[in-house]
Amino acid sequence: GDSVTQMEGPVTLSEEAFLTINCTYTATGYPSLFWYVQYPGEGLQLLLKATKADDKGSNKGFEATYRKETTSFHLEKGSVQVSDSAVYFCALKDTGNQFYFGTGTSLTVIP
Amino acid sequence: NAGVTQTPKFQVLKTGQSMTLQCAQDMNHEYMSWYRQDPGMGLRLIHYSVGAGITDQGEVPNGYNVSRSTTEDFPLRLLSAAPSQTSVYFCASISDGTYGYTFGSGTRLTVV
Repeated sequence: GDSVTQMEGPVTLSEEAFLTINCTYTATGYPSLFWYVQYPGEGLQLLLKATKADDKGSNKGFEATYRKETTSFHLEKGSVQVSDSAVYFCALKDTGNQFYFGTGTSLTVIP
Repeated sequence: NAGVTQTPKFQVLKTGQSMTLQCAQDMNHEYMSWYRQDPGMGLRLIHYSVGAGITDQGEVPNGYNVSRSTTEDFPLRLLSAAPSQTSVYFCASISDGTYGYTFGSGTRLTVV
């Protein structure tokens, strides 16, 4: 079945460091891919998405490219801020609107 | 503000008690889901609905019931609470898969 595997955390970075959170997927067909962010005590918020191969999703300085050849959708940001501290979830949506979430990666950015 | 509203935000139950977690959305979304979030396990789908009158089971449906009498509301019922149901519960809705889910702010449930 479809699934998402993402990098184990927690991840701790200094402010202005480069961030990569790895995400790979297994899917039949042509899924859409998403990154969600969860701040403490809140629900998940959509961060960015890509709906087909080679699409790049971007938002708030974060980027991820849908790579069909490597079945990956890695999240990157060039310079993290303390306010980026949160839990990040990679997810895929199959053609039937079913979502599959990764286990989440906790990011802490220290000043 | 438009979105998904969950109540209550916090709840403590005794083992064996029943309760209903409420979820309402005002975006006219057809597809709604309930997830539970547990440490190290990500989000697991409990039940979902593709429209009023239609519900189906997800990955972990045991001990939970749902109904969907209107497009707006999708309550989750715990029939006889168990400590294993201690978790954070999220309701989410979606209109078109390309836009992703809109999540509620969650209900933190503790069963003692």
